[in-house]
Amino acid sequence: NAGVTQTPKFQVLKTGQSMTLQCAQDMNHNSMYWYRQDPGMGLRLIYYSASEGTTDKGEVPNGYNVSRLNKREFSLRLESAAPSQTSVYFCASRLQGGNQPQHFGDGTRLSIL
Amino acid sequence: GDSVTQMEGPVTLSEEAFLTINCTYTATGYPSLFWYVQYPGEGLQLLLKATKADDKGSNKGFEATYRKETTSFHLEKGSVQVSDSAVYFCALSDDNTDKLIFGTGTRLQVFP
Repeated sequence: NAGVTQTPKFQVLKTGQSMTLQCAQDMNHNSMYWYRQDPGMGLRLIYYSASEGTTDKGEVPNGYNVSRLNKREFSLRLESAAPSQTSVYFCASRLQGGNQPQHFGDGTRLSIL
Repeated sequence: GDSVTQMEGPVTLSEEAFLTINCTYTATGYPSLFWYVQYPGEGLQLLLKATKADDKGSNKGFEATYRKETTSFHLEKGSVQVSDSAVYFCALSDDNTDKLIFGTGTRLQVFP
């Protein structure tokens, strides 16, 4: 059971470079999410997609773009990376419905120099 | 809006001690409630959930009861192990927006 797969696991970028974080789920889930996790700040929602073809801003969307490529895949793009975007990024997915939990990937650890 | 409040950490315990991590919530509707665990270097894993008032979720010796009257969902374990050292997140579902609302997490450190 692969669940939620994120690539890459680690990445180092220079300020101003661009990069796309990939996420794929094989559980036929409708909803997908991108979070960032910083020390002492818990999880903060960047963007989410309630279904294929729709995306919505979360709590901290500035500096990011997303694409819901199909039902399985939800990518996060940094167009011009900044040191403030150094973080651990998590993708999650879930079936729609209030009693459904989110399932998380193992994260991408991103450092921007 | 909906919110989740967790006790500040770290919580430091000796092996076999009793654990309680407090979680309270604010919600306008009838949310489902979740506890997640994050081990070092890993993503969040669902630990347990409860979907309505008075439900008790349980898994791996951990328990939490959905208390509507006190708007709480405290996590308990009777005897912790060193391997339970992790960060624990309380969360609630927000049906209106298809999102989960997370607490800030509580770090548990268990020493032999």
